[in-house]
Amino acid sequence: GESVGLHLPTLSVQEGDNSIINCAYSNSASDYFIWYKQESGKGPQFIIDIRSNMDKRQGQRVTVLLNKTVKHLSLQIAATQPGDSAVYFCAENYGGATNKLIFGTGTLLAVQP
Amino acid sequence: NAGVTQTPKFRVLKTGQSMTLLCAQDMNHEYMYWYRQDPGMGLRLIHYSVGEGTTAKGEVPDGYNVSRLKKQNFLLGLESAAPSQTSVYFCASSYGRVVSYEQYFGPGTRLTVT
Repeated sequence: GESVGLHLPTLSVQEGDNSIINCAYSNSASDYFIWYKQESGKGPQFIIDIRSNMDKRQGQRVTVLLNKTVKHLSLQIAATQPGDSAVYFCAENYGGATNKLIFGTGTLLAVQP
Repeated sequence: NAGVTQTPKFRVLKTGQSMTLLCAQDMNHEYMYWYRQDPGMGLRLIHYSVGEGTTAKGEVPDGYNVSRLKKQNFLLGLESAAPSQTSVYFCASSYGRVVSYEQYFGPGTRLTVT
């Protein structure tokens, strides 16, 4: 399918290494953050989320870190595998009754065998 | 559970033609959304709905209309297609705010306007 990775920042890692994908968010009032993974030709898929009252949350092979002081979010993927190759988006919600998410432009993770 | 489905998967339109994209979800979600995705620009919200019979404008609503006549369906219409509307369109749905902010996405519709 058509690539959504054109013109995106790219992170290239070796299989088995750890990956860190960074995201700067825009609104200091945001209270919820989420990471999505998007494989070529598919819709975004939920990875992990975190609320603003936390600074770290762990899932299976993934960890999200939140630094509210500098409005920075990161996604750490342990022991990166070829199946992790995709575009990763962070998104923020800054309240309201609509669940609206504001998405970043994404980072392309390329895993080298 | 099929989750979120979108029809059609691909479409080519000529400038000035109209079409409707259909989104359906079987998770009993209250909220539904339409996004467009262009290279290097992430996902941009076109319109959204917080319940059956309600719709609201998102970030880039011009040239699009929506309807939510049934809770499970959210339709996106292009009345007079323009080349600038060439994009990949994603539908998403979510529970109400008190449950979760997570949005569940469909597989996308790739639209080309010539």
